[in-house]
Amino acid sequence: QQQVKQSPQSLIVQKGGISIINCAYENTAFDYFPWYQQFPGKGPALLIAIRPDVSEKKEGRFTISFNKSAKQFSLHIMDSQPGDSATYFCAASNTGNQFYFGTGTSLTVIP
Amino acid sequence: GAVVSQHPSWVICKSGTSVKIECRSLDFQATTMFWYRQFPKQSLMLMATSNEGSKATYEQGVEKDKFLINHASLTLSTLTVTSAHPEDSSFYICSAPQPFPYGYTFGSGTRLTVV
Repeated sequence: QQQVKQSPQSLIVQKGGISIINCAYENTAFDYFPWYQQFPGKGPALLIAIRPDVSEKKEGRFTISFNKSAKQFSLHIMDSQPGDSATYFCAASNTGNQFYFGTGTSLTVIP
Repeated sequence: GAVVSQHPSWVICKSGTSVKIECRSLDFQATTMFWYRQFPKQSLMLMATSNEGSKATYEQGVEKDKFLINHASLTLSTLTVTSAHPEDSSFYICSAPQPFPYGYTFGSGTRLTVV
């Protein structure tokens, strides 16, 4: 059973464009929603995270939008750069317990 | 920030041999360590959870006798792949809860190739 559903599987964006990745979850007990960035051959690195008490969090070019009623959250990458090309995973957890990861989105930013 | 050091970063071994992967928490105590396996272009699959001083908890379908996990101290957890076979070739990643900010920090991963 996939606890966190992520889409799209792959995404190609022009340099300077906006990349949008979506995730949905079912378990209302989840209270922490991070996004991880992974480059080939490397472990995932925390990019940005949000808790359900806010609807949006922005850090530089990265923004998480959170819709608690719809049980959805998304990652927006503004002014996408070739260096942003990586695989992005959303995740969800209930504080202190294991993370459930989405299936990943391979992002390619074309110069 | 919290760092988990994972070694080796890559290893090639012969079929039938054993390989040990180490994960160390460098500047914090990791009472829990999660071990994941990742196939190319796929997501992370939780294999097991280790807790310092107690037996690891394995996910359904993971052979505990093949993937031996030891969490002997608050800063070291190890995964030993015993009697490795080519189908065990994968990317293995450890992760530990970090103290602050809340979240999990990941090791850099180990690429295991069994020939």
